[in-house]
Amino acid sequence: GDSVTQMEGPVTLSEEAFLTINCTYTATGYPSLFWYVQYPGEGLQLLLKATKADDKGSNKGFEATYRKETTSFHLEKGSVQVSDSAVYFCALRGGNFNKFYFGSGTKLNVKP
Amino acid sequence: DGGITQSPKYLFRKEGQNVTLSCEQNLNHDAMYWYRQDPGQGLRLIYYSQIVNDFQKGDIAEGYSVSREKKESFPLTVTSAQKNPTAFYLCASSPPERPNTGELFFGEGSRLTVL
Repeated sequence: GDSVTQMEGPVTLSEEAFLTINCTYTATGYPSLFWYVQYPGEGLQLLLKATKADDKGSNKGFEATYRKETTSFHLEKGSVQVSDSAVYFCALRGGNFNKFYFGSGTKLNVKP
Repeated sequence: DGGITQSPKYLFRKEGQNVTLSCEQNLNHDAMYWYRQDPGQGLRLIYYSQIVNDFQKGDIAEGYSVSREKKESFPLTVTSAQKNPTAFYLCASSPPERPNTGELFFGEGSRLTVL
């Protein structure tokens, strides 16, 4: 079945460091891929998405490229800020069903 | 503004009591979902509904019940049969299945604590 695997956290970085959070997926058909961010005590917010192979999603300095050949959708940011501290979830929407599959989340801590 | 409203934000329950969490959306989405999140954990699907008057069990439906009498509303009841109900509950909705490019929209969540 469809599934998402993302790197375990927590990830601790200093401000202005480069961020990569790895995400790989297993899916039949042609899924859409998403990154969500969750701040403490809040719901999830869409950060970016990509709906077909080789698409790059981007928002607020974050980027991720849909790589079908490696079944990956890694999240990157060139220079993180303290305000980026949150939990990040990778997710996919399957090609044949109205269901979403989430990774286990990666907590990011950015220190000043 | 369009969105998803969950209430209450915080809820305390005594053991043996049923509680109902409200979820209302004005996005005109057909599909709605309930997820449970435990501290430091990912999301687990409780129930989902693709159209009015229809819903399916997710991965952890035992001890929960739902109804979908209106397109805008998808309440979740946590029954006394749920052994460990203390958790953060998230409601979500999504645009139509086809194409499958639409994302999930989430509410702000309801935190349930059993005393």
